[in-house]
Formats: sequence, C-alpha cells, structure tokens
Amino acid sequence: EDKVVQSPLSLVVHEGDTVTLNCSYEVTNFRSLLWYKQEKKAPTFLFMLTSSGIEKKSGRLSSILDKKELFSILNITATQTGDSAVYLCAVECWDDKIIFGKGTRLHILP
Amino acid sequence: EAGVTQFPSHSVIEKGQTVTLRCDPISGHDNLYWYRRVMGKEIKFLLHFVKESKQDESGMPNNRFLAERTGGTYSTLKVQPAELEDSGVYFCASSLRGGSYNSPLHFGNGTRLTVT
Repeated sequence: EDKVVQSPLSLVVHEGDTVTLNCSYEVTNFRSLLWYKQEKKAPTFLFMLTSSGIEKKSGRLSSILDKKELFSILNITATQTGDSAVYLCAVECWDDKIIFGKGTRLHILP
Repeated sequence: EAGVTQFPSHSVIEKGQTVTLRCDPISGHDNLYWYRRVMGKEIKFLLHFVKESKQDESGMPNNRFLAERTGGTYSTLKVQPAELEDSGVYFCASSLRGGSYNSPLHFGNGTRLTVT
C-alpha cells in the first residue's frame, strides 16, 4: 500500500533555531513530492520536488529530494513564531492521486 | 483571485442525519478534489472531478457519500445517513490542470464535520 511517513510528528523549538522535517515515502508510481504549510485552515503550497539532489529554496525554507532513498527534508533556518504550523508532505502519483503524510506539528517558542 | 471557498466551515449533526458540504473552486479550475482528514490521521483522497465528470472516486468510503459537480462549477458532497466515523475535516482543492505537476492544488479552509 502506498504511504507517506513524516517525522517527527511534533516539534517544539525556540525562535532562531533551525529545524529539519523528514518525509519518507513508498509509492508505486511516483511523480512528484509536495510540501504544504497548514496554519489555521487551508494548506498552502510550499514546494514541488521532482528531481533528486536539486534544492528548492524560498527565503528561510529549503527542501531537497532523494529519489534513491525515497525521502525528502524540509529545512527552516532562523525560525520565527510565524513558522508555527503543521507541515504536510505529500506524494503525487502519475494517476493524479496525492497521498499525504500525517504532518509535523511545529511550534516555535518566542 | 478569490480562493477555494467551502461552506459551511463547521457542521454538527446527529448520527443518521444528512449533511451537504459545498465547495466553490477557483474560477476556471477544471479539476476539483475532495479530501478528508479524520482526527489523528492523514489527509485522504476522496474523489477527483474534471469539469463535471468524476475522474476518480476510488477514495469514497461507501455509498453513503455522494459527490456532484453539476455544470462543472461548484461541487457538493452529501453524507446520508451520517455515521460517527464520518467526523473529520473535509477539504476541497482545485487546480487549473490535472495534478500539481502542472499546476499546484489550491485548498479551501475545510469544513469541520462533527457527527454526534
């Protein structure tokens, strides 16, 4: 059965710390890996990764994919309280199906 | 542009009753998806519309769930009769083309359904 596993499930750090969120997957027809940030309501799109080893960056956030080892990491440097959210990892398959992980709940202490 | 809107934001019903959730996708988005998150578990796919046609409804849990998208615009998801295990947050998402590979999914804020 296709699955996406995120770790840790929950993380509490202080402002200014750097965090790394993990996502591993087992799917039969992988097309891309997606990261979303969910604050109070709708998940918002962060990154789409399709190729191994190419880092995507957006401000303090960056992400990379390893298609050989079947995982991705999301890094957030110099964290701020506004980074507190649930970070969702999802894998998109070639039949347009998207499989989500349970998410990592990140809480940044001031 | 206006985002994906869902109505209601929260619904509390009794077991055995009927509830209808509505989703208005972003204008011009042919692809509309329904997802559900049950407490403590991951977001799971329910079904995918391309315009008014059901492209994939493999995630629908059982025949108590009925989704429609008349005219290829807004969509409704009806649960009849509701059971306790139907409680969760129902998300709708839309995209311009199929899958995030071509265009990212835009999510609505979700409808929190509580069945008591």
